[in-house]
Amino acid sequence: NAGVTQTPKFQVLKTGQSMTLQCAQDMNHEYMSWYRQDPGMGLRLIHYSVGAGITDQGEVPNGYNVSRSTTEDFPLRLLSAAPSQTSVYFCASRLEAQTYEQYFGPGTRLTVT
Amino acid sequence: LAKTTQPISMDSYEGQEVNITCSHNNIATNDYITWYQQFPSQGPRFIIQGYKTKVTNEVASLFIPADRKSSTLSLPRVSLSDTAVYYCLVGTGYIPTFGRGTSLIVHP
Repeated sequence: NAGVTQTPKFQVLKTGQSMTLQCAQDMNHEYMSWYRQDPGMGLRLIHYSVGAGITDQGEVPNGYNVSRSTTEDFPLRLLSAAPSQTSVYFCASRLEAQTYEQYFGPGTRLTVT
Repeated sequence: LAKTTQPISMDSYEGQEVNITCSHNNIATNDYITWYQQFPSQGPRFIIQGYKTKVTNEVASLFIPADRKSSTLSLPRVSLSDTAVYYCLVGTGYIPTFGRGTSLIVHP
């Protein structure tokens, strides 16, 4: 199993550009989520999904969109990048929503200039 | 959501046992206690999870007293490669909350 994979590893955007961060998992997990981590901080939840076709907002959803058309994939879209979105983005998946046993991808480091 | 408090940083030496305590006074009946490890430039890695008493796996032990208002992650005989940030999460449901964690530095 590859677990949770993310692409790209690094990305530089100009203010106002849009892009999609890709996330895929091969563990057949229903629950997937996106986090951002800023320097010296813990992770903050952006959006999550409890299954194909179902998404919801986390703590910091503004400026991001998600969709979940398949169990495996959960892309994160930045609609109009801003410098405040410079961060490291992690995707995670878990089998059960009831516990916090999650598996994280390697992350995407995004810089917005 | 249960609020957690853990030390900002800890230092240890190779071969020692390290205990990191997390306080969670308002833990709810259904809440689990979960610990993660994060190395620089990597995603967090699930270490261990428990509900009560003691849980042990090949990496760590988790001690939870009867009142469940705190928990202790125990790392036996640490090595330099255990230098990382350790996060304690308490709860259940869709929105886990990560604090700033405990930065553990292991010295030679």
